[in-house]
Amino acid sequence: KQEVTQIPAALSVPEGENLVLNCSFTDSAIYNLQWFRQDPGKGLTSLLLIQSSQREQTSGRLNASLDKSSGRSTLYIAASQPGDSATYLCAVSHNTDKLIFGTGTRLQVFP
Amino acid sequence: NAGVMQNPRHLVRRRGQEARLRCSPMKGHSHVYWYRQLPEEGLKFMVYLQKENIIDESGMPKERFSAEFPKEGPSILRIQQVVRGDSAAYFCASQYQETQYFGPGTRLLVL
Repeated sequence: KQEVTQIPAALSVPEGENLVLNCSFTDSAIYNLQWFRQDPGKGLTSLLLIQSSQREQTSGRLNASLDKSSGRSTLYIAASQPGDSATYLCAVSHNTDKLIFGTGTRLQVFP
Repeated sequence: NAGVMQNPRHLVRRRGQEARLRCSPMKGHSHVYWYRQLPEEGLKFMVYLQKENIIDESGMPKERFSAEFPKEGPSILRIQQVVRGDSAAYFCASQYQETQYFGPGTRLLVL
């Protein structure tokens, strides 16, 4: 049974810092991995999707890497801003269907 | 193209009542997923539907819960005889190719 773990559970940093969020999964036979952002009381916004054959994806200040064999992914956020404050979720799928989510990292970036 | 729509956004029910949650996928999307997020927990898959078909309901409780996605109209998640433990945020997502797009969620509170 696939289990997805995210550490840290919470993170508070000053504006401008570069930071790394971690995601690990127990079954490496994934189809893809996705990072989402969830704002309080809101839905999920997809940030990056990495196919199992890929090593990383980049979008603006965000970079996600995938090491499928070791069951790990990291989300790197460069030059953090207060607007980045949210909960970040990673999720894996084993084919083109349901997502298995981690419990998230709650990020607060203070001015 | 409007995003995934869910209504109501907030729903209050007393124990024993029925809850009906609706999800309208993005235009042209024929795959719908329902997920549940209990307080302080991650999202858990419930059910995956295509038009008029349930593809995977492995995450849905066997009793009191049902889902449908008719040929016309929104997908419906129905919870009969609600209990306090059903209080949660219920999200639906529609899928295009390999990306799932999430709605804003319905927050159900059972008194």
